[in-house]
Amino acid sequence: SQKIEQNSEALNIQEGKTATLTCNYTNYSPAYLQWYRQDPGRGPVFLLLIRENEKEKRKERLKVTFDTTLKQSLFHITASQPADSATYLCALVLYNNNDMRFGAGTRLTVKP
Amino acid sequence: GAGVSQTPSNKVTEKGKYVELRCDPISGHTALYWYRQSLGQGPEFLIYFQGTGAADDSGLPNDRFFAVRPEGSVSTLKIQRTERGDSAVYLCASSLTPLQGLKTYNEQFFGPGTRLTVL
Repeated sequence: SQKIEQNSEALNIQEGKTATLTCNYTNYSPAYLQWYRQDPGRGPVFLLLIRENEKEKRKERLKVTFDTTLKQSLFHITASQPADSATYLCALVLYNNNDMRFGAGTRLTVKP
Repeated sequence: GAGVSQTPSNKVTEKGKYVELRCDPISGHTALYWYRQSLGQGPEFLIYFQGTGAADDSGLPNDRFFAVRPEGSVSTLKIQRTERGDSAVYLCASSLTPLQGLKTYNEQFFGPGTRLTVL
């Protein structure tokens, strides 16, 4: 069966440390993989996209890796801040589809 | 407007009633998507419009759910004979063109959602 799994429901880290979130998928062949941030009571906000032929993408303190052999993406936030506390969702965009398939998300809490 | 707006922000209804949820996409965006998000889960695709037509409605759970976009802008998601299991946040998103149109990526912008509670 097709699955998208994000490493844990919740991740707590200390301010200044690097947060690493994991997204694993099974029985999908995505064209793109995306990461979104969602705050309580709000819709998801796009952060980064990585294509299936790309290994790594960076944007300021964010870094995404994509390993299509392992069927895994890692999402890193360096020098984390309390303002980074939110739920982070990974989403797959499939070939020839116009919908996205989301994981359940990981709730990140950065403690001062 | 500046972003995607959805009304109402909250809707409480009784089992068996009919509800309509409205989405105003970003002006000029031709593609519009509806998702449903249950507590502790990621958004689940329901339906996608390109212009006025429903290009993909494979995510609608059953025939109680229907959506329209008559003029290619505002969309309404309609749920008949609501059930308690329909309780969720209904999210709308829009993008300039379809997600993989012309082999380029077009970002989806999400609205804040409508929280539907069926008692």
